[in-house]
Amino acid sequence: SAVISQKPSRDICQRGTSLTIQCQVDSQVTMMFWYRQQPGQSLTLIATANQGSEATYESGFVIDKFPISRPNLTFSTLTVSNMSPEDSSIYLCSVNSGGQETQYFGPGTRLLVL
Amino acid sequence: DAKTTQPPSMDCAEGRAANLPCNHSTISGNEYVYWYRQIHSQGPQYIIHGLKNNETNEMASLIITEDRKSSTLILPHATLRDTAVYYCIALYTGTASKLTFGTGTRLQVTL
Repeated sequence: SAVISQKPSRDICQRGTSLTIQCQVDSQVTMMFWYRQQPGQSLTLIATANQGSEATYESGFVIDKFPISRPNLTFSTLTVSNMSPEDSSIYLCSVNSGGQETQYFGPGTRLLVL
Repeated sequence: DAKTTQPPSMDCAEGRAANLPCNHSTISGNEYVYWYRQIHSQGPQYIIHGLKNNETNEMASLIITEDRKSSTLILPHATLRDTAVYYCIALYTGTASKLTFGTGTRLQVTL
C-alpha cells in the first residue's frame, strides 16, 4: 500500500483567509482524491485530481472555493479559499494503489476556522 | 453504486469475534464490497474487499452471501484498538473509485 503524508496536520485560521493543504505519496499514482469530513459526519468526496488535467469536482464543490493542483504523480494540493467557520473540518487525501481501485488515505488535516 | 445499510452501533467484548453486518440488496454483479474503518478521526484504513467469494487477510474475514445481498465483516479476536467506525461500501469498478461513505457502524470493544 502507498504511504501518504499531509501537511499541515492541523491549523487554526481566521475567517477570510486561505489555507493550502499538501498531500505527498511515496509512489507514483494515477488518481488522487480529496475528501472533507465535517464534525460528527462521514466523509464526502470533494474532487478527483488527475495529473495533467483539471480536477473533477463533485456536486456542491467548486473550483473557486477549493482549487486543486496536481503537478506530478506523487503530489497534490487543496486550497480552502476565503474560509468561514463552516469550513472547519478534517480534509483527507487518498490515492489508488495496489490495483482493483483500492484507495488508501492520508492522516488528514484538521482545520479550525475562527 | 449500490446503497449499503449498517447498524449504527455495536458492542463487543475484548477477545471475542466481532461480526459486523452490511446489507447491499441492490448490488450489481460488477460491484465489489469494500470495508474501511476510521479510528478516532484518523484517516480511514482499508480492511478488505471482495466480489463473490469469501476473503481473509491478516486483519479480518469477509463473508459474502451467495446472492451477494449482504455481507459480514469478522474481526476474529477483537481488541480495544479495534474500537472504530466501520464502513461498508459497494464500489463499481470503473467509476474512478468514488467511494461513497455512509454513516457506518460504531464498534465499541470493551473489557
